[in-house]
Amino acid sequence: DAGVIQSPRHEVTEMGQEVTLRCKPISGHNSLFWYRQTMMRGLELLIYFNNNVPIDDSGMPEDRFSAKMPNASFSTLKIQPSEPRDSAVYFCASSRDVGEQYFGPGTRLTVT
Amino acid sequence: AQSVSQHNHHVILSEAASLELGCNYSYGGTVNLFWYVQYPGQHLQLLLKYFSGDPLVKGIKGFEAEFIKSKFSFNLRKPSVQWSDTAEYFCAVNGYTGNQFYFGTGTSLTVIP
Repeated sequence: DAGVIQSPRHEVTEMGQEVTLRCKPISGHNSLFWYRQTMMRGLELLIYFNNNVPIDDSGMPEDRFSAKMPNASFSTLKIQPSEPRDSAVYFCASSRDVGEQYFGPGTRLTVT
Repeated sequence: AQSVSQHNHHVILSEAASLELGCNYSYGGTVNLFWYVQYPGQHLQLLLKYFSGDPLVKGIKGFEAEFIKSKFSFNLRKPSVQWSDTAEYFCAVNGYTGNQFYFGTGTSLTVIP
């Protein structure tokens, strides 16, 4: 099993640009989670999906952030427009029902 | 609402010292409990988990954790730490009311050779 796949691994963009982060969960997992990690705020849950349906997006910082899961094997997290304070490592994780979460390698986003 | 508390934010130990990291959660129902480790520059990896059965759980790399239901605790232990254990450790809880995980704020462990 390849594990959770995220792309890109690193993204450097200028303020105001649109950023799209991608995630492929482990096959057979029915829950998908997006997290953001910074030194200041630690690990924050942004949104999670169950069976491709967004269940809780209360962690999404603001309207500039949006997430989709069009099918069981793909999800995107989009930031438009991006701001320097969005710089962080974004992790995607997946799980089967109430089992443990498996994390992807993360996307390190730098907004200048 | 569920929450997870990790009391130690930063721990510094010498090699061969014993380790215990505290984790308390607030949830009245059945829970699954986890400890994750994040090595510098890497993603979170599962150390161990408790779903049911023996409350003393053994994980990878010599780590263990004990679930004490009456204290709502799930402390992580290792009898003798190594320099390679330097990492961030996260406790997490998953209740049966939904599929959301609740992570603690993490404990940074530095092991001095």
